[in-house]
Amino acid sequence: GENVEQHPSTLSVQEGDSAVIKCTYSDSASNYFPWYKQELGKRPQLIIDIRSNVGEKKDQRIAVTLNKTAKHFSLHITETQPEDSAVYFCAASGAFLHGGATNKLIFGTGTLLAVQP
Amino acid sequence: AAGVIQSPRHLIKEKRETATLKCYPIPRHDTVYWYQQGPGQDPQFLISFYEKMQSDKGSIPDRFSAQQFSDYHSELNMSSLELGDSALYFCASSLAGARKETQYFGPGTRLLVL
Repeated sequence: GENVEQHPSTLSVQEGDSAVIKCTYSDSASNYFPWYKQELGKRPQLIIDIRSNVGEKKDQRIAVTLNKTAKHFSLHITETQPEDSAVYFCAASGAFLHGGATNKLIFGTGTLLAVQP
Repeated sequence: AAGVIQSPRHLIKEKRETATLKCYPIPRHDTVYWYQQGPGQDPQFLISFYEKMQSDKGSIPDRFSAQQFSDYHSELNMSSLELGDSALYFCASSLAGARKETQYFGPGTRLLVL
């Protein structure tokens, strides 16, 4: 089955600096790669996603890049702010099963991002 | 905009008891997913339903069962609870169509088994 590895497990940056989180996946059939931000005790919140037919996507201070050949994707946050502090999860999902609309997410192990003021 | 609703938000049970968690997807969403998240862990996929039929199954114990009803809400039934079942349980929903992979999570149910 699919396996997603995520690095680093913790990341501390100064406010205004950039943060980069990297993930690799094992199943070449995976075609959808979302990133979720989770604050302590709260729900995972979708912040950006990318599909396998796109190499890069940007939304204001957040960007995601995908390298299908190498099977890795990365989250880039620029001009970090203290409110960006949270756990970030990457995830991957693959082809449908039995023609139905199911896409279970396989998550990475998470990155605790701390933005120091 | 309406979001995924889960109830109850908190639940305390004794070992060997049963629990029922409920999930109400975003209106018009037809697919529901259940995830379990232990302390300091990533969410683990349990089971999913599409149009009231089970569509995929993950690491869900045999003690757990789930279903999706005609109004698309889903219930996760957990029996013979064990201490290790203490976790956050998230429900997510999505809509078949152009962005069918996009899952939106509910606020979760925090289950504590004593």
